[in-house]
Amino acid sequence: SQELEQSPQSLIVQEGKNLTINCTSSKTLYGLYWYKQKYGEGLIFLMMLQKGGEEKSHEKITAKLDEKKQQSSLHITASQPSHAGIYLCGADNSGGSNYKLTFGKGTLLTVNP
Amino acid sequence: GAVVSQHPSRVICKSGTSVKIECRSLDFQATTMFWYRQFPKQSLMLMATSNEGSKATYEQGVEKDKFLINHASLTLSTLTVTSAHPEDSSFYICSASTVETQYFGPGTRLLVL
Repeated sequence: SQELEQSPQSLIVQEGKNLTINCTSSKTLYGLYWYKQKYGEGLIFLMMLQKGGEEKSHEKITAKLDEKKQQSSLHITASQPSHAGIYLCGADNSGGSNYKLTFGKGTLLTVNP
Repeated sequence: GAVVSQHPSRVICKSGTSVKIECRSLDFQATTMFWYRQFPKQSLMLMATSNEGSKATYEQGVEKDKFLINHASLTLSTLTVTSAHPEDSSFYICSASTVETQYFGPGTRLLVL
């Protein structure tokens, strides 16, 4: 089974709608990272969460970490076409200082105008 | 955010030849760099962790003699795919870690004919 499960695998929403992407780790989480990727390009760092219950926001994107459940959710409010892309969560399951990450398979988000 | 560059962005080579990919952190020093491989519509798979001045640590299943990694300075790591074969065709992405997260390069698309 996957160490890091992301759901849904793909998501199509109408512009202006809210959406949530989930990431669940089968191992202890020392840190959870969210990235955005456009197909065939590098990853753009969005947010890092380290403490249980931590919540961070950047513009219309909010991410939360539930340390006990080993889960994180990424919520986009009033989605726009510019939000379209692949969202990847990366988990630090080792707690080391070099931030070695394991990635989920990603969620492909399409926002229709 | 921090900037990581990769060169070349795409390369086509003949089977049996070797290809070198460079990864540079442009505005910060990175003691640790990572090399990932990504297949179409799949997640990133960590290949190896590269520490400046020491031998790279390879993930299980990654051939160290096939994928040579050199981390000669705090701003440069190179991945050489030796005797490349068509099955090595993929998207290779590097990242460099700072105290807050990993920053990713734009990726190199390798096609082996």
